[in-house]
Amino acid sequence: NAGVTQTPKFQVLKTGQSMTLQCAQDMNHNSMYWYRQDPGMGLRLIYYSASEGTTDKGEVPNGYNVSRLNKREFSLRLESAAPSQTSVYFCASSEGRDRWLTGYTFGSGTRLTVV
Amino acid sequence: EDKVVQSPLSLVVHEGDTVTLNCSYEVTNFRSLLWYKQEKKAPTFLFMLTSSGIEKKSGRLSSILDKKELFSILNITATQTGDSAVYLCAVEVPNFGNEKLTFGTGTRLTIIP
Repeated sequence: NAGVTQTPKFQVLKTGQSMTLQCAQDMNHNSMYWYRQDPGMGLRLIYYSASEGTTDKGEVPNGYNVSRLNKREFSLRLESAAPSQTSVYFCASSEGRDRWLTGYTFGSGTRLTVV
Repeated sequence: EDKVVQSPLSLVVHEGDTVTLNCSYEVTNFRSLLWYKQEKKAPTFLFMLTSSGIEKKSGRLSSILDKKELFSILNITATQTGDSAVYLCAVEVPNFGNEKLTFGTGTRLTIIP
């Protein structure tokens, strides 16, 4: 049971380059999320998707776009990377009926460095 | 603006000690409070609390919620080196089916053998 899978695990980008972070879950969850984690800041919500075909902005959406490709996959795109986007990115998923037992399930993260 | 504050920011104790971690919150609307343990990678789920005064317990870990005073505590008894981690508190805010989590900055717990 893989849970939430993120790729890549590590990435170094030059300023201005673009890339897409991939996330897939195999738990048949409707809701998916992208967070970034910076030292001293906790996890901050970038974008989320309550169901296939819908996406909404979170706390820090500037500089990012997302696509909910299907129920399993939720990707995060950086169109023109900036050093301020250096962070660890976590994808998560959840389902209302399961939350009391499993909470929100997180992937293992992508460590992104923009130079 | 929704806010979750954890204290202390860091804590260093000896193996066998008991620790209490604190989480207070101010949110527009409240559904639940969650505790996570984060070691090197993904946060792992510990507890979800929805009702005041009902203790959740798992082994040496326990947690309780006070919805009147807007805080929760996480207790760890007889600490072990494997308990060293960052402990995250998050509040779930309902939003017409678009529930989401707002996190605190975490408490870094270090257990000295």
